[in-house]
Amino acid sequence: AQSVTQLDSQVPVFEEAPVELRCNYSSSVSVYLFWYVQYPNQGLQLLLKYLSGSTLVESINGFEAEFNKSQTSFHLRKPSVHISDTAEYFCAVSDTGGVKTIFGAGTRLFVKA
Amino acid sequence: DGGITQSPKYLFRKEGQNVTLSCEQNLNHDAMYWYRQDPGQGLRLIYYSQIVNDFQKGDIAEGYSVSREKKESFPLTVTSAQKNPTAFYLCASTHRGYGEKLFFGSGTQLSVL
Repeated sequence: AQSVTQLDSQVPVFEEAPVELRCNYSSSVSVYLFWYVQYPNQGLQLLLKYLSGSTLVESINGFEAEFNKSQTSFHLRKPSVHISDTAEYFCAVSDTGGVKTIFGAGTRLFVKA
Repeated sequence: DGGITQSPKYLFRKEGQNVTLSCEQNLNHDAMYWYRQDPGQGLRLIYYSQIVNDFQKGDIAEGYSVSREKKESFPLTVTSAQKNPTAFYLCASTHRGYGEKLFFGSGTQLSVL
């Protein structure tokens, strides 16, 4: 069975500061890893994903995440956040042979002016 | 534009009543999913379906039922057996279901009167 742990439930940060949202997963098989973002009262949108290849993946709006197999982690980072990045972020995992995606509990990022 | 439509946006249930949440997609996706979202708990899988006329229980299926008579539609019924139905319900779909990203609807907030 797979599981996902997001280590911080809330992360407050000032605008233009760097941020890291931490995610660890547990699985006995190869996995696909995802970060989704949810704005208030909306569904989730894919931010980025790791399937294979380069362990560093980037999104179009400046976020990046690095897959670390030895530490079973997939932390999300951004060097300089904006007010508009305020949202809830979910780390998720699915195994390469299955069809279910398992989500972490979410991290609420709050960017302050 | 292609997407997933959930209705209604808000729904109220009386004690002992069954209610049905609608989910329609025009993305021609094979797999569809229902998730329940509670604050601080992330998303939990209720039911999923990979093909028409077939569906499987997720992690928290008790008190819920689904049908998949058409590829485009995957309605969720919250039965009177679900004793704690208040939550935000999200429908999602993917093309093949193997490591593909999930496309989400905008959700239905269900509350108990």
